[in-house]
Amino acid sequence: NAGVMQNPRHLVRRRGQEARLRCSPMKGHSHVYWYRQLPEEGLKFMVYLQKENIIDESGMPKERFSAEFPKEGPSILRIQQVVRGDSAAYFCASSPQTGNGNQPQHFGDGTRLSIL
Amino acid sequence: QKEVEQNSGPLSVPEGAIASLNCTYSDRGSQSFFWYRQYSGKSPELIMFIYSNGDKEDGRFTAQLNKASQYVSLLIRDSQPSDSATYLCASGQAGTALIFGKGTTLSVSS
Repeated sequence: NAGVMQNPRHLVRRRGQEARLRCSPMKGHSHVYWYRQLPEEGLKFMVYLQKENIIDESGMPKERFSAEFPKEGPSILRIQQVVRGDSAAYFCASSPQTGNGNQPQHFGDGTRLSIL
Repeated sequence: QKEVEQNSGPLSVPEGAIASLNCTYSDRGSQSFFWYRQYSGKSPELIMFIYSNGDKEDGRFTAQLNKASQYVSLLIRDSQPSDSATYLCASGQAGTALIFGKGTTLSVSS
């Protein structure tokens, strides 16, 4: 499958636990974006990464959330000490190297995070 | 605050009609514009992208961009029930993340 791969598709955690969401971009794509979507709401940008670099994390909550995109392996969105309000669909998107404008972003199937 | 505004709908059209979806954006520096379709419980799927003023056609879809008015639209000709979904408009600049609108829900009745 040459698309954006996210896992797990569904993740259930209890309050206070940690959640790790993984994203492997499309082949040839070097830019990864994470978005959060609450029911009946739009996509909210969280963080934009390239390999080993965070380009823009202006949408990330200041506490408990972190993201990385290591030289090898998938991008990871990590949520520590989860709370009920973290329940949402988390989407990852990837794009190739940008040129004069944005290249289209392609989305993975998302991870549905449920906090008990 | 950079924003993309869309009418939430629902926009209801009969099968075979033209559906017109509209979007305005606040950032005059935006260079690229995208339309995504999202079915309930699914991920966004890229439909069209446009960078230059004017129209861009792809099958039953036409994207229109007017940078002077900061306005983007998507026309869907010969609408089908399978087109019923939420349509997300997004804008962006090189090196930045996209800004998404909240989406317009389209309902095509047979």
